[in-house]
Amino acid sequence: GEDVEQSLFLSVREGDSSVINCTYTDSSSTYLYWYKQEPGAGLQLLTYIFSNMDMKQDQRLTVLLNKKDKHLSLRIADTQTGDSAIYFCAESMNYGGSQGNLIFGKGTKLSVKP
Amino acid sequence: SAVISQKPSRDICQRGTSLTIQCQVDSQVTMMFWYRQQPGQSLTLIATANQGSEATYESGFVIDKFPISRPNLTFSTLTVSNMSPEDSSIYLCSANNGVGTEAFFGQGTRLTVV
Repeated sequence: GEDVEQSLFLSVREGDSSVINCTYTDSSSTYLYWYKQEPGAGLQLLTYIFSNMDMKQDQRLTVLLNKKDKHLSLRIADTQTGDSAIYFCAESMNYGGSQGNLIFGKGTKLSVKP
Repeated sequence: SAVISQKPSRDICQRGTSLTIQCQVDSQVTMMFWYRQQPGQSLTLIATANQGSEATYESGFVIDKFPISRPNLTFSTLTVSNMSPEDSSIYLCSANNGVGTEAFFGQGTRLTVV
């Protein structure tokens, strides 16, 4: 079945770059998303990439997509303590009776140390 | 983009009772979905809320336990019926305009059943 895999934890020092990786299985996905969830809060859409793109940059965020390997990454430059959160990778489903709902990974908990 | 408002944002309920969660979108959307996020877990799709017809439920979720309404293109409700402590989760409403379009999420409803 469809699956989205992420490493569960990442720890970096303030000012360093963070790279969060994700692999997915549905080759027909049209959008791939990164969401941020701070403690006790809902989901905040950080960025997304259309499947015909290789890279998308938005301020400190860079998304890289390798469709051949079904690998997605999120790079956060100059990581700050406020970036500490859980980051979810998600793919949109585009097969059969799917109506565009998302399949989520388990989330990567990013800890930023001063 | 679409802004999604959920009410209530949190609630503590007695077992055996029911809670109805409301989801309001600030613009007409094609698709609306309900997800559940159990403590420390990722998001799982409960059902697709269909306007003017019965919701489409995912495996493991049934209408008697999670009745859903969607009377128009901007509003949906999810009821968690006959609650037990195992229903303690965050429930999130999501919307998009069909397959291959950007997905938006509400801030979620944090439910605790005692």
